[in-house]
Amino acid sequence: QQQVKQSPQSLIVQKGGISIINCAYENTAFDYFPWYQQFPGKGPALLIAIRPDVSEKKEGRFTISFNKSAKQFSLHIMDSQPGDSATYFCAASWRGTGTASKLTFGTGTRLQVTL
Amino acid sequence: DGGITQSPKYLFRKEGQNVTLSCEQNLNHDAMYWYRQDPGQGLRLIYYSQIVNDFQKGDIAEGYSVSREKKESFPLTVTSAQKNPTAFYLCASSGLGAATNEKLFFGSGTQLSVL
Repeated sequence: QQQVKQSPQSLIVQKGGISIINCAYENTAFDYFPWYQQFPGKGPALLIAIRPDVSEKKEGRFTISFNKSAKQFSLHIMDSQPGDSATYFCAASWRGTGTASKLTFGTGTRLQVTL
Repeated sequence: DGGITQSPKYLFRKEGQNVTLSCEQNLNHDAMYWYRQDPGQGLRLIYYSQIVNDFQKGDIAEGYSVSREKKESFPLTVTSAQKNPTAFYLCASSGLGAATNEKLFFGSGTQLSVL
């Protein structure tokens, strides 16, 4: 049962362009939506995250757009750079305290930014 | 430096052999996790532990075993019962409190291949 669906599987963008990666979730109990960035041969690292009480969050060139009614969220990378070439994972979880993480990951998007 | 150390970086398994992947953290995190990463399938949870001497099965625990004898260490054994062990294995850790359990810190992974 795939609770978080991610698309596209791969993406090629020219330097300076906008990269857009989309995710859709099913479980309405989810209330935390992070994006992780993974470079080849490395573990993923948290890039940016959003909660459903806001529709957008921006950190530098990275923006999450969130649509609660559609149960969708997306990552936008503005002015994409070759150094952004990596695999991006969306994820979702519900808040709990005193417990381990409940993150469910999407299948990943391999982004290549060309010169 | 604070972080998660996985070893070895590359590991080869012969048929019928058990192999153990090491994971050590110095972040003082209570929770530790093992994920398996296959191309196009994202990150799938194998096992997790919230406290020493206790651990829980994730989504794909069959053919794997773990132990948590120390807070800092969470080794994963890939047993001969795991018929398709070739994958990239990631260890992660987090806190247990509200918000701290949402951010996972990952190691650099171990690539396991079958000879």
